Formats: sequence, C-alpha cells, structure tokens
Amino acid sequence: SQTIHQWPATLVQPVGSPLSLECTVEGTSNPNLYWYRQAAGRGLQLLFYSIGIDQISSEVPQNLSASRPQDRQFILSSKKLLLSDSGFYLCAWSPGMAKNIQYFGAGTRLSVL
Amino acid sequence: RKEVEQDPGPFNVPEGATVAFNCTYSNSASQSFFWYRQDCRKEPKLLMSVYSSGNEDGRFTAQLNRASQYISLLIRDSKLSDSATYLCVVNLDTGRRALTFGSGTRLQVQP
Repeated sequence: SQTIHQWPATLVQPVGSPLSLECTVEGTSNPNLYWYRQAAGRGLQLLFYSIGIDQISSEVPQNLSASRPQDRQFILSSKKLLLSDSGFYLCAWSPGMAKNIQYFGAGTRLSVL
Repeated sequence: RKEVEQDPGPFNVPEGATVAFNCTYSNSASQSFFWYRQDCRKEPKLLMSVYSSGNEDGRFTAQLNRASQYISLLIRDSKLSDSATYLCVVNLDTGRRALTFGSGTRLQVQP
C-alpha cells in the first residue's frame, strides 16, 4: 500500500534562517506531488505541484521554492524565512491519472519567530 | 467570489442529530468533487467522493447539483467522533490536476 512521510513534525525557526521540508512517497511510481500551506484557522493554499521529476509549477509568488530530485521525493525550501511563513505545511500525493484524489502527509507545523 | 465557498460554522448539534453542510463552487466545468475531514491540528483525510447521482457511505450522504453548482454532505445519527472540520474540495481544472479546498465547516457534536 502507499504511504507518505513528511518531516519534521514541528519546527521553530528564526526569521531569516533557511528552511528545508522533505516529503517522500512509498508504494507508487510517478505520483503527482503537492505542497500546501494552511494558516491558523484558514483553508489550504496550494503552493507547488509537480507531475514529474524537475516538473514543478508554482501557484503563489513567494520566497519559497520546491524541488523534486527523485520520482517520490518532494522538497520545500526557503533561503530566508519571514514571519508570514509560519503555518501548517502539508505534502500530498495523487495517482498520475484523472481521479485526482489526494492523500496527505501528517504535516509540519512551522513557527517563525 | 471564492472558488469554493463554505459556511465556516460552527455547527453545534447534539448526539444523534442529523446535520447538513452545503458548499458552492464557481467553475461550471469542474469535474471532481470530494469531502475531506480534518481533525484539529491534523492532516485532511478523504471522507468520500461525490458522484453526480449522489452516494452514500454509512451515515454519510453526498449530493451534487451541477445546475446550481453546489455539493452537500448529510450526516445522520451524529456521533461525538464526528466532531471535526469538513472540507469541500473541487477540481476546478482537470488539466491542472490540482484540487481547490474550501475553508471548511466546523462541526461540534455535543453529548
């Protein structure tokens, strides 16, 4: 069966520090991969999605970037965090076909201080 | 207008009650519809897909009205464990293969 791993679960970082969040999927190949952010009490905002290695689309201009160095690995990065980057970051995957159901990792709660 | 709109609630209902949530979406060409459930400080989890003919999964019934561009979720015989936020989710553009999430409706089932 397919599983998705996301780490770390919690992160506290100072303003201006770099960020790297990692997500890996097991048990499937060529998944679509997604990064979302959820601010406190708000809905999910799509940040990036990827349909293949090195094929990444950015949804919202920001100081974050994403990379997909391997088929089942998706990384969210920042060179310098802002206070506004605080939130709940969720990685998700879906089968590379039309059904579109997405399955989420457990998320990373990021606090930028 | 938001792409996917939901009443944020909260809906406070007693155990055993029937409760219904509605959600409207903006794009008439949308193809896929889902309800997800999100517990406090947890990731969203798929509750059920929504099909044109309506579908049922135990105490949960989902309906789609394409003409009016809304979907609904009915929960019968509410349990305390149903307390959560319910997210309406729509694929607005099949070419993009990305889902758009509503902000969620919070349900609190009380003893």
